[in-house]
Amino acid sequence: DTGVSQDPRHKITKRGQNVTFRCDPISEHNRLYWYRQTLGQGPEFLTYFQNEAQLEKSRLLSDRFSAERPKGSFSTLEIQRTEQGDSAMYLCASSTIGGSSYNEQFFGPGTRLTVL
Amino acid sequence: AQSVTQLGSHVSVSEGALVLLRCNYSSSVPPYLFWYVQYPNQGLQLLLKYTTGATLVKGINGFEAEFKKSETSFHLTKPSAHMSDAAEYFCAVSDGLYGNNRLAFGKGNQVVVIP
Repeated sequence: DTGVSQDPRHKITKRGQNVTFRCDPISEHNRLYWYRQTLGQGPEFLTYFQNEAQLEKSRLLSDRFSAERPKGSFSTLEIQRTEQGDSAMYLCASSTIGGSSYNEQFFGPGTRLTVL
Repeated sequence: AQSVTQLGSHVSVSEGALVLLRCNYSSSVPPYLFWYVQYPNQGLQLLLKYTTGATLVKGINGFEAEFKKSETSFHLTKPSAHMSDAAEYFCAVSDGLYGNNRLAFGKGNQVVVIP
């Protein structure tokens, strides 16, 4: 399977615990995006990387959230001191970059987080 | 900043009837527009996209959409609904070549197909 993969698919945690999610993009893709989708809403942009550099962070990404993409390959999204409002589906997408054509984002299956 | 409006969170359509999902966008630069479909507990799958050129775009599964700049719209249609079309549909806009291609999504339409 050469698509975007995310791990775990589901995570249940207690309020106040830390959680970490992983995203493995399509191998030749330079850009990696994180989105959050709450119940009944469309996905909302959180942050994106170009290779290993984190180039933009949304205001939704509070200081409890941190994302990394070491070596420009897989990425991790960590949430510290989880709150019930963090319960959502966390989606990862990747794309190529360059040229004059649109670079389609390919989405992974998501990690569903439930904070009790 | 780009934004998208999708009205009517739930849409019911009879099998064999026309599917019409409305999307209006706001963008300060020429937009790139997309429709995605999401099945339960799955990620997003691209149905179709408009970047430049022909304003009527055809996608997978018999869907098509027309970009109308004067109406700032990008409505999705399918002539005849099939039971397998039951899913959630999202319209999205990006700043294309002018930025980082991040997507701004609408709230989505949950489509129910009635046999």
